[in-house]
Amino acid sequence: SYVLTQPPSVSVAPGQTARITCGGNNIGSKSVHWYQQKPGQAPVLVVYDDSDRPSGIPERFSGSNSGNTATLTISRVEAGDEADYYCQVWDSSSDLWVFGGGTKLTVL
Amino acid sequence: QVQLVESGGGVVQPGGSLRLSCAASGFTFSSYGMHWVRQAPGKGLEWVAFIRYDGSNKYYADSVKGRFTISRDNSKNTLYLQMNSLRAEDTAVYYCAKGTELELRGGWFDPWGQGTLVTVSS
Repeated sequence: SYVLTQPPSVSVAPGQTARITCGGNNIGSKSVHWYQQKPGQAPVLVVYDDSDRPSGIPERFSGSNSGNTATLTISRVEAGDEADYYCQVWDSSSDLWVFGGGTKLTVL
Repeated sequence: QVQLVESGGGVVQPGGSLRLSCAASGFTFSSYGMHWVRQAPGKGLEWVAFIRYDGSNKYYADSVKGRFTISRDNSKNTLYLQMNSLRAEDTAVYYCAKGTELELRGGWFDPWGQGTLVTVSS
């Protein structure tokens, strides 16, 4: 089955840029989606189809995807961005949906 | 606005059964595929099952195949998850989530319900 690998944690100071990676075999050929989950809350979609933002999501959230790595970039990080972030793809070869293990973003 | 409300969680003994429900509103339920996703305490997200908009196709994670059954009643705008032969490792918050429209495959989950907790313990 298809495996997505995320770093367990990323730390960044307020106002700086956070980059959260999601690795997978030839992930650049797939559409990658990203979710934010704050403690005690349901996940929220923040980026879909590699780089598109749902309505209501700040422009500070952006995504890219190439080769074996997809990246969620959060610019001008705020304290309220502290959360767990998950990447997700659909594996067409098996018709299964796959999540990465998640990355805890800490705002210093 | 789109709203998904799960119910049916609780405490069940190993080997027991439970049926979860997800009431949908704010969109044309019968036009969208629907998912169940779970999250064990302190762990990450795990996709569980998907059902097509018309119920004609269903897909399951290997961890639940043969034990869980996803279904829907489009006349009641409700999604279900029948869970049988429950194990301790099935303990999790179970979320329902809206998937893709009509014949579109793959895609993302948006939005999610608030989740319902299932605890499998003797």
